[in-house]
Amino acid sequence: DAKTTQPTSMDCAEGRAANLPCNHSTISGNEYVYWYRQIHSQGPQYIIHGLKNNETNEMASLIITEDRKSSTLILPHATLRDTAVYYCIVADRGSTLGRLYFGRGTQLTVWP
Amino acid sequence: GAVVSQHPSRVICKSGTSVKIECRSLDFQATTMFWYRQFPKQSLMLMATSNEGSKATYEQGVEKDKFLINHASLTLSTLTVTSAHPEDSSFYICSARGGGSQPQHFGDGTRLSIL
Repeated sequence: DAKTTQPTSMDCAEGRAANLPCNHSTISGNEYVYWYRQIHSQGPQYIIHGLKNNETNEMASLIITEDRKSSTLILPHATLRDTAVYYCIVADRGSTLGRLYFGRGTQLTVWP
Repeated sequence: GAVVSQHPSRVICKSGTSVKIECRSLDFQATTMFWYRQFPKQSLMLMATSNEGSKATYEQGVEKDKFLINHASLTLSTLTVTSAHPEDSSFYICSARGGGSQPQHFGDGTRLSIL
C-alpha cells in the first residue's frame, strides 16, 4: 500500500519553478523517499531519491523536512515536457528488496 | 546509463494465446527485476519481484500460474501471460535494479490487447 499523500493535480507556468509536495508521516528510519514521473503511455522515469539530506541532480532538487514526514520535489525551471504524473514513494531498500508501491501521484500540467 | 529495454511494445492477440514479454537491462547487471501492471487511468500495481536464478515472489492476488516469470540472467527477465483473456489486457511494465544504492529503472512498457 502507498504510504504517501500527494495533491491530485497541480499547474505551473512554463519557466517557473514547480514545487510538488508529498506527505509521508509514517515513514520509518530506513525508508528512502523516491520520486518518479510518468509521461502518458511510457514507463516511469526515475528523478531523484533521498534519505534525510536534501538532494540535487540535473533534473530536480529534493527537500526533506527535518522530521522526514514530508518532502518537496522542485523542478527549477519547468518546461512543457515536464507535464507528467509525479509519484512520491517511500521504500525500504533492505529487506523488501526495494519494492515500490505506487500511489495515484500528482498530475503536473505545465502551461505555456 | 541505466537503460531498460522492454519488448514488444505492443501485442494484439486472440483469447487463449500465451504471450511472452522480455525485459533487458542494457548497461548494468540487474540483481532484481520487477513486473508491474497498469490499467487505464490507474496507477502502477506491483505484480512480482524476481532475483536472478530464483523463483519470483508474487504480490497478493497475483496468480503465479497465470503470470510466469523467468529471470534467467542478470540482464534478462521474461513475463509470460498464459492463456490470456480479454481481462488480461493492460499495460505491463518492467523495472530493473542493480545492487547497493541503485534505484529502479523502468522499461517503456508493453501494451497487451487480447481480443
